[in-house]
Amino acid sequence: DQQVKQNSPSLSVQEGRISILNCDYTNSMFDYFLWYKKYPAEGPTFLISISSIKDKNEDGRFTVFLNKSAKHLSLHIVPSQPGDSAVYFCAASAFGNTGKLIFGQGTTLQVKP
Amino acid sequence: DTGVSQDPRHKITKRGQNVTFRCDPISEHNRLYWYRQTLGQGPEFLTYFQNEAQLEKSRLLSDRFSAERPKGSFSTLEIQRTEQGDSAMYLCASSNTRDRGSYEQYFGPGTRLTVT
Repeated sequence: DQQVKQNSPSLSVQEGRISILNCDYTNSMFDYFLWYKKYPAEGPTFLISISSIKDKNEDGRFTVFLNKSAKHLSLHIVPSQPGDSAVYFCAASAFGNTGKLIFGQGTTLQVKP
Repeated sequence: DTGVSQDPRHKITKRGQNVTFRCDPISEHNRLYWYRQTLGQGPEFLTYFQNEAQLEKSRLLSDRFSAERPKGSFSTLEIQRTEQGDSAMYLCASSNTRDRGSYEQYFGPGTRLTVT
C-alpha cells in the first residue's frame, strides 16, 4: 500500500526555468510533509517542509504547495540550477504518530545547462 | 562536523553471516530512526528510539534484526544470518522532538550492505 506516491520517475528542465515536482498521498492522517534531496552515495538532505495548517511555504528558490482537498503537494524550484540535479523524495508524517516518515519513490531531476 | 554519522559506509558479507552497523546522531537529538532503502525506492521505516527506549518497529524488521540505543546516544543495528534480500542502503536519521512541531529528520550518509 503506497501511501505516498511520486508518479513521475524523472524530470528534465533547462537551467533557469522552473522545476515542478509532484507528490500525492492517500492517508488523511498525514499532517506534516517534507521534501528531501538525495545525491548518489549520500543520505537524503532535508530541503523544506510544510504543516497541514498551511498551503504554502517558501524558502529561497524552493516553494512547497499543499492542496489538502486533493491530497497533493508540489515542490517548485525557481530558477533551476545544474546543482539541483538529484533525486527528490517527498515524505509525510501523521499527527500523534511517532514522527516516522513515509516516503514516495522519488523523482530524478536533471537540470541541463 | 556535527551531522549524523554512520559506520561502516560499505559492508560486503556472505550469506549467513552477522553484521552490525553503528549510527551516531546529532548530539542534542532525542530521537533516532533507522530506515532501509533499496534501488528505485524511497527509504522505508524500520524502527525508532526516543532516548534509549525503542518505541516502534516496522513489520519489515524481522526477528533477524535487532536495534539498540543503550545510553540514548549512538545506536546499533544488527542483522543475523544475513540473506541476499537484506542487501540495501541502511539509513539512520535523528531529530529533536523537544521543539514543538519539529519533525525534520536529518539523515546520515548510510551504510551500503551487499550480501553475496
